[in-house]
Amino acid sequence: DIVMTQSPDSLAVSLGERATINCKSSQSVLDNSNNKDNLVWYQQKPGQPPKRLVYWASTRESGVPDRFSGSGSGTDFTLTISSLQAEDVAVYYCHQGFSAPYTFGQGTKLEIK
Amino acid sequence: EVDLVESGGGLVQPGGSLRLSCAASGFTFSSYWMTWVRRAPGKGLEWVANIGHDGSAKKYLDSVKGRFTISRDNAKNSLYLQMNSLRAEDTAVYYCAKTVIYGYDSWGQGTLVTVSS
Repeated sequence: DIVMTQSPDSLAVSLGERATINCKSSQSVLDNSNNKDNLVWYQQKPGQPPKRLVYWASTRESGVPDRFSGSGSGTDFTLTISSLQAEDVAVYYCHQGFSAPYTFGQGTKLEIK
Repeated sequence: EVDLVESGGGLVQPGGSLRLSCAASGFTFSSYWMTWVRRAPGKGLEWVANIGHDGSAKKYLDSVKGRFTISRDNAKNSLYLQMNSLRAEDTAVYYCAKTVIYGYDSWGQGTLVTVSS
């Protein structure tokens, strides 16, 4: 199984400041059929279902603010929020869709400092 | 607009059974893989099972293999999860999700399953 490890487990950032969440996979999630990393970032707010933010490691979902960006390749990935807003308080998960079981990271809880 | 509505959750004793349903609308259901994902209290998201667009391909998390069965009825635009021999560790909110190659682009609101005596 591919293990997805996020860091940190929790993060407190001031409004307007940058937030960075890291995700490491235990093996490559590169899909050789299209040369894209099958790595997705989700945001889950309390009482709501998850929402996809970024797919293929760096492609932002339509309608997601451009302060959210994904980067990385191979086994190391990052989600960056360039200027934290109050509505960004949530738990963030990375997820690999490369091979079953399709594992998630343990989640990173993002709060306002 | 895509809409996914789960139902069938509830309180069940260990060893009992439940059948979850997910009613889909707003897209061509028969063209998409579908997935069940759960989130246990205080825990993170966990992929449970998925099913191909015609129901022929199915994959399961090892811990539910042999106990859970995923199925679909494309004529009714519905996804199901039959859960047998339930354990306390199956307690979670169960979500159905519309599945594309690059993740889950639509999710239901979830249905809570509580396994307790």
